[in-house]
Amino acid sequence: QVQLVESGGGVVQPGGSLRLSCAASEFTFSNNAMHWVRQAPGKGLEWVAFIWYDGSNKYYADSVKGRFTISRDNSKNTLYLQMNSLRAEDTAVYYCAKGAYGVDYWGQGTLVTVSS
Amino acid sequence: QTVVTQEPSLTVSPGGTVTLTCASSTGAVTSGYYPNWFQQKPGQAPRALIYSTSNKHSWTPARFSGSLLGGKAALTLSGVQPEDEAEYYCLLYYGGAYVFGTGTKVTVL
Repeated sequence: QVQLVESGGGVVQPGGSLRLSCAASEFTFSNNAMHWVRQAPGKGLEWVAFIWYDGSNKYYADSVKGRFTISRDNSKNTLYLQMNSLRAEDTAVYYCAKGAYGVDYWGQGTLVTVSS
Repeated sequence: QTVVTQEPSLTVSPGGTVTLTCASSTGAVTSGYYPNWFQQKPGQAPRALIYSTSNKHSWTPARFSGSLLGGKAALTLSGVQPEDEAEYYCLLYYGGAYVFGTGTKVTVL
């Protein structure tokens, strides 16, 4: 059974940084593109970032471009999201999800709260 | 700023049929946008239903179907069950970047 487990969420002050991780198992991680998606409290889903299976191409939503960096370590079956210059509006549950043209599996999410 | 618009809410009777749509501010949605559809219930992660316009995942109930309709992506629920009450989101591909739709709250009443 495919598993995606996010970690690294927590409370951070505005302007601070946080790194999220997504541990993948029960599928060939190195063959699959991955996404980060977030959901602010009571709001809809927002696509954040996407990375090709080999890390060679990365794409970002305008709202996070220049502040967030998506990366992966295929030797560790792990996806990352480095978040810098955090703002209150970045407060959300962050999900990792697997797939490119077809997004199939999702993790359960990790909560990031940006507050002083 | 690309906007993907869905109906805010729809109500359907048990056993009925309802169609949700997904429109792009850039123009007609085609298969090249690889429309995906997801279901989300309160307190849960989203669950994938449809990919690449009309393809079902192995777990997708047969009553869910995807299509293109009048320049939009569409998700049709036929023979609606009470457990289909949820928020539904589409996802469109824009050459590297992706955009989620605004979401449709489906009420089964």
